[in-house]
Amino acid sequence: GENVEQHPSTLSVQEGDSAVIKCTYSDNASNYFPWYKQELGKGPQLIIDIRSNVGEKKDQRIAVTLNKTAKHFSLHITETQPEDSAVYFCAASGDTGTASKLTFGTGTRLQVTL
Amino acid sequence: KAGVTQTPRYLIKTRGQQVTLSCSPISGHRSVSWYQQTPGQGLQFLFEYFSETQRNKGNFPGRFSGRQFSNSRSEMNVSTLELGDSALYLCASSGSVGEKLFFGSGTQLSVL
Repeated sequence: GENVEQHPSTLSVQEGDSAVIKCTYSDNASNYFPWYKQELGKGPQLIIDIRSNVGEKKDQRIAVTLNKTAKHFSLHITETQPEDSAVYFCAASGDTGTASKLTFGTGTRLQVTL
Repeated sequence: KAGVTQTPRYLIKTRGQQVTLSCSPISGHRSVSWYQQTPGQGLQFLFEYFSETQRNKGNFPGRFSGRQFSNSRSEMNVSTLELGDSALYLCASSGSVGEKLFFGSGTQLSVL
Protein backbone atom coordinates (compact mmCIF):
# COMPACT_ATOMS: atom_id res chain seq x y z
CA GLY A 1 0.00 0.00 0.00
CA GLU A 2 0.87 3.68 -0.04
CA ASN A 3 3.35 5.12 2.45
CA VAL A 4 3.74 8.86 2.99
CA GLU A 5 6.64 10.44 4.86
CA GLN A 6 6.49 14.06 6.00
CA HIS A 7 9.24 16.39 7.21
CA PRO A 8 9.89 18.26 9.38
CA SER A 9 7.75 17.22 12.33
CA THR A 10 8.01 20.71 13.83
CA LEU A 11 8.80 24.03 12.20
CA SER A 12 9.18 27.43 13.80
CA VAL A 13 9.35 30.56 11.67
CA GLN A 14 9.11 34.27 12.30
CA GLU A 15 6.11 36.17 11.07
CA GLY A 16 6.62 37.21 7.48
CA ASP A 17 9.06 34.42 6.68
CA SER A 18 8.30 31.48 4.40
CA ALA A 19 7.63 27.91 5.53
CA VAL A 20 8.22 24.75 3.51
CA ILE A 21 6.93 21.28 4.36
CA LYS A 22 7.99 18.26 2.32
CA CYS A 23 6.40 14.86 1.70
CA THR A 24 7.43 11.76 -0.19
CA TYR A 25 5.17 8.94 -1.29
CA SER A 26 5.79 5.38 -2.42
CA ASP A 27 2.95 4.31 -4.72
CA ASN A 28 3.49 5.17 -8.39
CA ALA A 29 -0.27 4.99 -8.88
CA SER A 30 -0.91 7.98 -6.58
CA ASN A 31 -2.09 10.99 -8.56
CA TYR A 32 -4.01 13.13 -6.09
CA PHE A 33 -2.22 15.02 -3.29
CA PRO A 34 -4.17 17.21 -0.85
CA TRP A 35 -2.87 19.26 2.07
CA TYR A 36 -4.85 19.77 5.26
CA LYS A 37 -4.50 22.23 8.14
CA GLN A 38 -5.67 21.17 11.58
CA GLU A 39 -6.14 23.65 14.40
CA LEU A 40 -6.55 22.62 18.02
CA GLY A 41 -9.93 21.06 18.67
CA LYS A 42 -10.94 21.05 15.02
CA GLY A 43 -10.93 18.60 12.16
CA PRO A 44 -8.51 18.85 9.23
CA GLN A 45 -9.34 21.61 6.75
CA LEU A 46 -8.47 21.21 3.07
CA ILE A 47 -6.23 24.12 2.06
CA ILE A 48 -4.92 23.10 -1.34
CA ASP A 49 -4.64 20.02 -3.53
CA ILE A 50 -2.86 19.02 -6.72
CA ARG A 51 -3.19 16.31 -9.31
CA SER A 52 -0.28 14.61 -11.01
CA ASN A 53 -0.90 16.25 -14.38
CA VAL A 54 0.12 19.59 -12.82
CA GLY A 55 3.56 20.48 -11.45
CA GLU A 56 2.58 23.47 -9.35
CA LYS A 57 -0.54 25.12 -8.00
CA LYS A 58 -0.87 28.39 -6.14
CA ASP A 59 -3.61 29.98 -4.06
CA GLN A 60 -2.66 33.38 -2.63
CA ARG A 61 0.09 32.73 -0.04
CA ILE A 62 -0.04 28.96 -0.40
CA ALA A 63 1.54 26.88 -3.15
CA VAL A 64 2.14 23.20 -3.71
CA THR A 65 4.75 21.68 -6.01
CA LEU A 66 4.87 18.10 -7.23
CA ASN A 67 7.77 16.10 -8.64
CA LYS A 68 6.23 12.86 -9.84
CA THR A 69 9.55 11.41 -10.99
CA ALA A 70 11.06 11.77 -7.56
CA LYS A 71 7.72 11.05 -5.84
CA HIS A 72 7.76 14.07 -3.63
CA PHE A 73 5.57 17.12 -3.12
CA SER A 74 5.91 20.22 -1.00
CA LEU A 75 3.76 22.91 0.62
CA HIS A 76 5.04 26.47 0.54
CA ILE A 77 3.53 29.21 2.70
CA THR A 78 4.81 32.72 2.10
CA GLU A 79 4.48 35.80 4.32
CA THR A 80 3.47 33.64 7.27
CA GLN A 81 1.08 35.03 9.85
CA PRO A 82 0.31 33.94 13.44
CA GLU A 83 -2.98 32.40 12.25
CA ASP A 84 -0.98 30.00 10.08
CA SER A 85 0.13 28.26 13.28
CA ALA A 86 -1.38 24.76 13.17
CA VAL A 87 -0.58 21.16 12.28
CA TYR A 88 -0.32 20.51 8.55
CA PHE A 89 -0.85 17.10 6.94
CA CYS A 90 -0.01 15.95 3.46
CA ALA A 91 -1.81 13.00 1.91
CA ALA A 92 -1.67 10.80 -1.17
CA SER A 93 -4.40 8.93 -2.98
CA GLY A 94 -2.71 5.59 -3.52
CA ASP A 95 -4.11 3.45 -6.33
CA THR A 96 -7.61 4.92 -6.01
CA GLY A 97 -6.30 8.05 -7.71
CA THR A 98 -8.87 10.08 -5.85
CA ALA A 99 -9.69 11.38 -2.38
CA SER A 100 -11.02 7.93 -1.50
CA LYS A 101 -8.87 6.08 1.00
CA LEU A 102 -6.22 8.79 1.54
CA THR A 103 -2.89 7.93 3.18
CA PHE A 104 -1.72 10.77 5.41
CA GLY A 105 1.72 11.91 6.49
CA THR A 106 2.52 12.20 10.19
CA GLY A 107 2.00 15.96 10.33
CA THR A 108 4.09 19.11 10.77
CA ARG A 109 3.46 21.44 13.68
CA LEU A 110 4.06 24.96 12.38
CA GLN A 111 4.63 27.74 14.89
CA VAL A 112 4.71 31.32 13.61
CA THR A 113 6.30 33.63 16.14
CA LEU A 114 5.96 37.42 16.32
CA LYS B 1 -23.94 26.01 4.27
CA ALA B 2 -23.47 23.90 7.40
CA GLY B 3 -20.36 21.76 7.58
CA VAL B 4 -19.99 18.14 8.57
CA THR B 5 -21.63 17.54 11.95
CA GLN B 6 -20.46 14.81 14.29
CA THR B 7 -22.11 13.77 17.53
CA PRO B 8 -21.33 13.35 20.30
CA ARG B 9 -18.26 15.57 20.63
CA TYR B 10 -16.83 13.60 23.55
CA LEU B 11 -17.48 10.08 24.75
CA ILE B 12 -16.12 8.00 27.63
CA LYS B 13 -16.58 4.23 27.64
CA THR B 14 -15.08 1.26 29.43
CA ARG B 15 -13.38 -1.75 27.93
CA GLY B 16 -15.75 -4.30 26.48
CA GLN B 17 -18.55 -1.86 25.79
CA GLN B 18 -19.68 -0.82 22.34
CA VAL B 19 -20.14 2.66 20.95
CA THR B 20 -21.98 4.31 18.06
CA LEU B 21 -20.84 7.59 16.52
CA SER B 22 -22.95 9.71 14.22
CA CYS B 23 -22.12 11.90 11.23
CA SER B 24 -24.27 14.25 9.15
CA PRO B 25 -22.55 15.23 5.89
CA ILE B 26 -22.64 18.61 4.20
CA SER B 27 -26.00 19.11 2.55
CA GLY B 28 -25.98 17.55 -0.89
CA HIS B 29 -22.92 15.40 -0.23
CA ARG B 30 -23.51 11.72 -0.83
CA SER B 31 -20.22 10.14 0.18
CA VAL B 32 -19.04 9.74 3.78
CA SER B 33 -15.62 8.54 4.95
CA TRP B 34 -14.37 7.79 8.44
CA TYR B 35 -10.84 8.20 9.77
CA GLN B 36 -9.21 7.41 13.10
CA GLN B 37 -6.65 9.87 14.48
CA THR B 38 -4.23 8.93 17.27
CA PRO B 39 -0.92 10.47 18.37
CA GLY B 40 0.90 7.22 17.60
CA GLN B 41 -0.63 6.13 14.29
CA GLY B 42 -1.78 9.46 12.92
CA LEU B 43 -4.74 9.63 10.54
CA GLN B 44 -5.87 6.24 9.30
CA PHE B 45 -8.68 5.43 6.88
CA LEU B 46 -11.50 3.29 8.24
CA PHE B 47 -14.14 3.11 5.48
CA GLU B 48 -16.05 5.01 2.83
CA TYR B 49 -19.77 4.85 2.07
CA PHE B 50 -21.76 5.99 -0.94
CA SER B 51 -25.44 5.35 -1.60
CA GLU B 52 -25.67 3.20 1.53
CA THR B 53 -22.90 0.90 0.25
CA GLN B 54 -19.38 0.50 1.58
CA ARG B 55 -17.04 1.41 -1.28
CA ASN B 56 -13.65 1.15 0.40
CA LYS B 57 -12.34 -0.30 3.63
CA GLY B 58 -9.13 0.23 5.59
CA ASN B 59 -7.11 -2.24 7.63
CA PHE B 60 -9.14 -2.33 10.82
CA PRO B 61 -10.59 -5.38 12.60
CA GLY B 62 -14.19 -6.41 12.15
CA ARG B 63 -15.08 -4.75 15.46
CA PHE B 64 -15.21 -1.53 13.46
CA SER B 65 -18.28 -1.24 11.28
CA GLY B 66 -20.35 1.44 9.69
CA ARG B 67 -23.44 2.15 7.73
CA GLN B 68 -25.02 4.90 5.72
CA PHE B 69 -28.68 5.82 5.56
CA SER B 70 -30.77 6.95 2.61
CA ASN B 71 -30.36 10.60 3.66
CA SER B 72 -26.53 10.13 3.50
CA ARG B 73 -26.13 10.35 7.27
CA SER B 74 -23.68 7.77 8.56
CA GLU B 75 -22.92 5.94 11.76
CA MET B 76 -19.90 3.94 12.81
CA ASN B 77 -19.90 1.32 15.51
CA VAL B 78 -17.07 -0.13 17.52
CA SER B 79 -17.83 -3.27 19.50
CA THR B 80 -15.90 -4.83 22.39
CA LEU B 81 -13.92 -1.65 23.00
CA GLU B 82 -10.20 -1.89 23.77
CA LEU B 83 -7.96 0.71 25.40
CA GLY B 84 -6.23 1.21 22.05
CA ASP B 85 -9.48 2.37 20.48
CA SER B 86 -9.12 5.69 22.30
CA ALA B 87 -8.85 8.20 19.50
CA LEU B 88 -10.40 11.09 17.66
CA TYR B 89 -12.82 9.68 15.09
CA LEU B 90 -13.26 11.95 12.12
CA CYS B 91 -15.99 11.89 9.56
CA ALA B 92 -15.52 13.50 6.15
CA SER B 93 -18.00 14.06 3.36
CA SER B 94 -17.64 14.63 -0.36
CA GLY B 95 -20.04 15.25 -3.19
CA SER B 96 -19.38 11.84 -4.61
CA VAL B 97 -16.88 9.01 -4.33
CA GLY B 98 -13.33 10.27 -4.70
CA GLU B 99 -14.10 13.98 -4.62
CA LYS B 100 -12.50 16.47 -2.20
CA LEU B 101 -12.95 15.55 1.44
CA PHE B 102 -14.33 17.95 4.03
CA PHE B 103 -13.89 16.91 7.65
CA GLY B 104 -16.00 17.40 10.72
CA SER B 105 -14.53 18.27 14.14
CA GLY B 106 -14.59 14.66 15.25
CA THR B 107 -15.72 12.61 18.23
CA GLN B 108 -13.10 12.18 20.94
CA LEU B 109 -13.50 8.66 22.32
CA SER B 110 -11.79 7.68 25.56
CA VAL B 111 -11.80 4.03 26.61
CA LEU B 112 -11.06 3.41 30.28
